[in-house]
Amino acid sequence: GENVEQHPSTLSVQEGDSAVIKCTYSDSASNYFPWYKQELGKRPQLIIDIRSNVGEKKDQRIAVTLNKTAKHFSLHITETQPEDSAVYFCAASTNAGGTSYGKLTFGQGTILTVHP
Amino acid sequence: GAVVSQHPSWVICKSGTSVKIECRSLDFQATTMFWYRQFPKQSLMLMATSNEGSKATYEQGVEKDKFLINHASLTLSTLTVTSAHPEDSSFYICSARGTGGNNSPLHFGNGTRLTVT
Repeated sequence: GENVEQHPSTLSVQEGDSAVIKCTYSDSASNYFPWYKQELGKRPQLIIDIRSNVGEKKDQRIAVTLNKTAKHFSLHITETQPEDSAVYFCAASTNAGGTSYGKLTFGQGTILTVHP
Repeated sequence: GAVVSQHPSWVICKSGTSVKIECRSLDFQATTMFWYRQFPKQSLMLMATSNEGSKATYEQGVEKDKFLINHASLTLSTLTVTSAHPEDSSFYICSARGTGGNNSPLHFGNGTRLTVT
């Protein structure tokens, strides 16, 4: 099955700096890669996603890049703010048929702390 | 749109009892729902895939007789933790896929914090 590795496990930055979180995946059939932000005790919130036919996607201060050959994708947050502090999860899924139903496999999570 | 409602948000039960958690898609039909479990400071681990009108598909290591899943309609899936034990204490989150096929975003419920005493 799919295995997603995420690094770093913790990341501390100063307000205004950029933050980068990286993930690798094992299943070359994976073609959908979302990123979630989770605040303590709350549900994961989708912040951005990318599909395998695209190499980069940007939404204001957030961008995601995908390298299918190397099987890794990254989340970039620019001009970080204290409210960006949360746990971020990457995930990967396939659109395979059969029993996979496009299930997501999550990375281990990154605790991002943005210091004012 | 694409709201997933999960109930209850928290529950405390005694060891040996059963607890039912409901997951509803409020404004869309979800043929597939997923149940995740998250222990403190850990990632979301998929427990099972719930398919409307058919048996759930469980991930390796998840006991199907302990975690009963019923997906009787296109808007409701339930997870029943039977004979709960303290080690079952965790954050249980359901999610549902909206329209658009397998690569459409997953929408998560608010989660249920289960504490077994």
